[in-house]
Amino acid sequence: NAGVTQTPKFQVLKTGQSMTLQCAQDMNHEYMSWYRQDPGMGLRLIHYSVGAGITDQGEVPNGYNVSRSTTEDFPLRLLSAAPSQTSVYFCASSYERWNYGYTFGSGTRLTVV
Amino acid sequence: GENVEQHPSTLSVQEGDSAVIKCTYSDSASNYFPWYKQELGKGPQLIIDIRSNVGEKKDQRIAVTLNKTAKHFSLHITETQPEDSAVYFCAASPQGAQKLVFGQGTRLTINP
Repeated sequence: NAGVTQTPKFQVLKTGQSMTLQCAQDMNHEYMSWYRQDPGMGLRLIHYSVGAGITDQGEVPNGYNVSRSTTEDFPLRLLSAAPSQTSVYFCASSYERWNYGYTFGSGTRLTVV
Repeated sequence: GENVEQHPSTLSVQEGDSAVIKCTYSDSASNYFPWYKQELGKGPQLIIDIRSNVGEKKDQRIAVTLNKTAKHFSLHITETQPEDSAVYFCAASPQGAQKLVFGQGTRLTINP
């Protein structure tokens, strides 16, 4: 039981490049979400999903896309990277939409130059 | 939408003393309030949570209190130890919303 696995752990992108941050969980959790963490701003919700085939926007969705084709995977796509997207990204999952005991991954540190 | 304010941003206490971190929320319909601990280089980890029908919850050295009237909740850590040093986040979940709104975080340092 690996929990929530995020890859890669570190990434450097050039402005305008695209990439996908991977997130996978093996706990059969229905709810998954993506947060970004910036100094002094806590964790801000980018996108979330309450189940396979269902996604919705959070507080800061611009510049990011998600899809949820399986229960296990919830990738986050950066369409055209910008320096403002330099951040640490965390994926989290939860068993039920109304049980908010999130399990977080270890994060992806992204730098856009 | 929900807004969560967390104070202080940094807190330094002597080992063995108590530490208190406070959060206020804006949406009176919020009904779930978890606390997460984040150690360096790791993802946040749930340490305790409380729901709106409960005023206080304890788990060994950690306790959380909730004042729904004043819309604030607090994390209390007693008999602090060096391994309590970390960043702590509070969060609130508005009723009916499928998400958590986090506070800005508190960096807690335990001095030996």
